[in-house]
Amino acid sequence: DADVTQTPRNRITKTGKRIMLECSQTKGHDRMYWYRQDPGLGLRLIYYSFDVKDINKGEISDGYSVSRQAQAKFSLSLESAIPNQTALYFCATAGTPSTDTQYFGPGTRLTVL
Amino acid sequence: QKEVEQNSGPLSVPEGAIASLNCTYSDRGSQSFFWYRQYSGKSPELIMFIYSNGDKEDGRFTAQLNKASQYVSLLIRDSQPSDSATYLCAVKDSGGSNYKLTFGKGTLLTVNP
Repeated sequence: DADVTQTPRNRITKTGKRIMLECSQTKGHDRMYWYRQDPGLGLRLIYYSFDVKDINKGEISDGYSVSRQAQAKFSLSLESAIPNQTALYFCATAGTPSTDTQYFGPGTRLTVL
Repeated sequence: QKEVEQNSGPLSVPEGAIASLNCTYSDRGSQSFFWYRQYSGKSPELIMFIYSNGDKEDGRFTAQLNKASQYVSLLIRDSQPSDSATYLCAVKDSGGSNYKLTFGKGTLLTVNP
């Protein structure tokens, strides 16, 4: 079984809809991250969390919110989706702060019409 | 704004050749450096990390780090068509933001049979 899973893997939605992307991990890592990837722009950090009570904004958090329901679960929500949120979304986890090697989930391809 | 720069490519090499991928970074205090491989539509996969100046070898891959020049590279020996992918350089931020990685936009490598 994969260590980091994301659901759904693909999603098409309409402008104005609320959507949630979910991430679960079995690696036992405390740190979890949400990124989006767009062609030509690379990976950009949306939100990150060090534990259930510690959630922080990344460089592009506007229009997004997150919830850390447990150590193993970190969800990303788009309250009112817009077309420029069409992207590939990745969840990642990291273990000890001394290394911060990040391990990525398989990604969610989101299309907002 | 911390930056990680990579040549976007495409870098094209024949099968069996050495592929050389380069990365420069702006955060002089950075201590940890990572190379990820990403196939089209897939998630980034860690290839190697390097912390110390010099070379680090793992199979056909060699990472090279020069902190004074703020330069990190990845060499792939005996390149195979299966190595065709985008290679992402990532640098762990220093100081107060040392929780996060800054990613380059990636270099597309094509290995021709």
